[in-house]
Amino acid sequence: ETGVTQTPRHLVMGMTNKKSLKCEQHLGHNAMYWYKQSAKKPLELMFVYNFKEQTENNSVPSRFSPECPNSSHLFLHLHTLQPEDSALYLCASSQGQAYNEQFFGPGTRLTVL
Amino acid sequence: AQSVTQPDIHITVSEGASLELRCNYSYGATPYLFWYVQSPGQGLQLLLKYFSGDTLVQGIKGFEAEFKRSQSSFNLRKPSVHWSDAAEYFCAVGMIKAAGNKLTFGGGTRVLVKP
Repeated sequence: ETGVTQTPRHLVMGMTNKKSLKCEQHLGHNAMYWYKQSAKKPLELMFVYNFKEQTENNSVPSRFSPECPNSSHLFLHLHTLQPEDSALYLCASSQGQAYNEQFFGPGTRLTVL
Repeated sequence: AQSVTQPDIHITVSEGASLELRCNYSYGATPYLFWYVQSPGQGLQLLLKYFSGDTLVQGIKGFEAEFKRSQSSFNLRKPSVHWSDAAEYFCAVGMIKAAGNKLTFGGGTRVLVKP
């Protein structure tokens, strides 16, 4: 595997379910990110991790719980979501400095019923 | 706080015609600027970036962008579009932080290519 991978690619869940999104980067980067991309809204940064430490939480509701066990893996744990949380969730990684681009995974398309 | 504006939500262009996508940013320091492209159902792919030096930047797939500090702009251009260029394009500005790298994205411009 190369680049940034995300699983699953598609997920349908009920409001009472608990599920997790997984992201893995094979680029040796030290920073990882979760973004939410909804229709008709700009890409929203959710969380930033640098060397496994969370450095940014962009006022995300607690029903989204990130986990970064090491610099290569990032999870987003989901519980009691709302239909408005349906979106494409993108993971990205970078070397951390502002002039280094972020590399994106293909995303997980989440539908909350 | 930094912000990015892409004034055009949709642009339709004929195949073979030139394309220019506008991007204006607001940032208090020297910006790091990026253009990404997103094809349907895919993640974002970097087209090009600017952080210093020559203000005309060449990217992949025949794209280029010009940084104009006086206009706070970083417009993307391609001389002759191909049908495969139909996608959504995002401009972003990077901010130096003590840890991590924060990008702020514009709302995107969807490009449709007519035969």
